[in-house]
Amino acid sequence: DIRMTQSPSSLSASVGDRVTITCQASQDISNSLNWYQQKPGKAPKLLIYDASNLQTGVPSRFGGSGSGTDFTFTISRLQPEDTATYYCQQYDDVSLTFGGGTKVEI
Amino acid sequence: VQLQESGPGLVKPSETLSLTCSVSGGSISYYYWTWIRQAPGKGLEWIAFGYFYRGANTKYNPSLKSRVTISADTSKNQVSLRLSSVTAADTAVYFCARTGPVALSGLDVWGQGTTVTVSS
Repeated sequence: DIRMTQSPSSLSASVGDRVTITCQASQDISNSLNWYQQKPGKAPKLLIYDASNLQTGVPSRFGGSGSGTDFTFTISRLQPEDTATYYCQQYDDVSLTFGGGTKVEI
Repeated sequence: VQLQESGPGLVKPSETLSLTCSVSGGSISYYYWTWIRQAPGKGLEWIAFGYFYRGANTKYNPSLKSRVTISADTSKNQVSLRLSSVTAADTAVYFCARTGPVALSGLDVWGQGTTVTVSS
């Protein structure tokens, strides 16, 4: 099984700050890595797919990078509405795995 | 495309949980369909995914594989999940989600989720 280690588990930042979340896979997953935002009581929302591609309609302040085992998710200028929990997720032919999540507070 | 999960809400321990994801605005063909759950206050856990065009290609979380079945009714445009021998640990919000087309990628469409409580 592929394990995803996401860090930090929580962070607090100010409006306008740059926020970075990392996700490490237990083995090489190429670019098969997605990022989601989840607000309380809601379903997750896809932000970044295949490591670095911005999903249609998602603001450009969100970004992703990395390949292989190490990945980074960035919010370039944090906005109040970005308060949420963020998850990374890998996929291969036989499984999906989520990271543990990062709670982002303002 | 819109997804709507439905299920019993409350299930007794040892019983079988059955959930349905009704898909509107598009066909279930050509896409992968997944079930994911989230226990109260916890993270996301993948349960199963399936591809139901010209047969069925299904994969399961190894930790749940012995108890889970994902299936589809293409005539009704629905994807279903059955989870047997439930315990309190299966109490969660259950989501269905879509990925594809044809190949796995980001889960771009989600249902709102349905809450399942396992209790006698």
